[in-house]
Amino acid sequence: SQTIHQWPATLVQPVGSPLSLECTVEGTSNPNLYWYRQAAGRGLQLLFYSVGIGQISSEVPQNLSASRPQDRQFILSSKKLLLSDSGFYLCAWNIESGSTNTQYFGPGTRLTVL
Amino acid sequence: AQKITQTQPGMFVQEKEAVTLDCTYDTSDPSYGLFWYKQPSSGEMIFLIYQGSYDQQNATEGRYSLNFQKARKSANLVISASQLGDSAMYFCAMSPGGATNKLIFGTGTLLAVQP
Repeated sequence: SQTIHQWPATLVQPVGSPLSLECTVEGTSNPNLYWYRQAAGRGLQLLFYSVGIGQISSEVPQNLSASRPQDRQFILSSKKLLLSDSGFYLCAWNIESGSTNTQYFGPGTRLTVL
Repeated sequence: AQKITQTQPGMFVQEKEAVTLDCTYDTSDPSYGLFWYKQPSSGEMIFLIYQGSYDQQNATEGRYSLNFQKARKSANLVISASQLGDSAMYFCAMSPGGATNKLIFGTGTLLAVQP
């Protein structure tokens, strides 16, 4: 079966500290992968997506970066966190079934920057 | 511009009643997908239902159905026989045409099911 993992589940970091959030998927190969952020009480905003190893597209200029060192691994990073980076970060992957494309989400990482 | 609009910040429904959550979208792409997700207080995003722009029939998944009106650019979610466990935030999303399958989300509707 196909599963998606994210860690850590919760993170509290001081302003100016680095960040590394990891997302891994199992049970598939060469998936499209996505990082979304959800600010408190808001909808999801797409940050990055990747269609393959080393291929990263950024949707919103920001303090964050993403990397895809392996086919089933997607990492979200920052060198220096800002207060505005607080939020709920969700990794997703795309599954194609016939004419249907559906994104399934990981459990998320709740980041608080103090 | 590609956009999803959910005009209902919050909704109440009595248990066992049906409820409709509104969603309108804007895109110039001829091919697109429409999705509904449920987000309970735990935060996980749960996929509910999908409708393709070329699908002739409205999508249904158990108690969920999507009322797709292409000319009006609306994709309302209908939940039949509401249950207490349906209380959650509901997001409408669109995947515009193209191979990247990026999702554009609305701002969500908070549904409260009352006993």
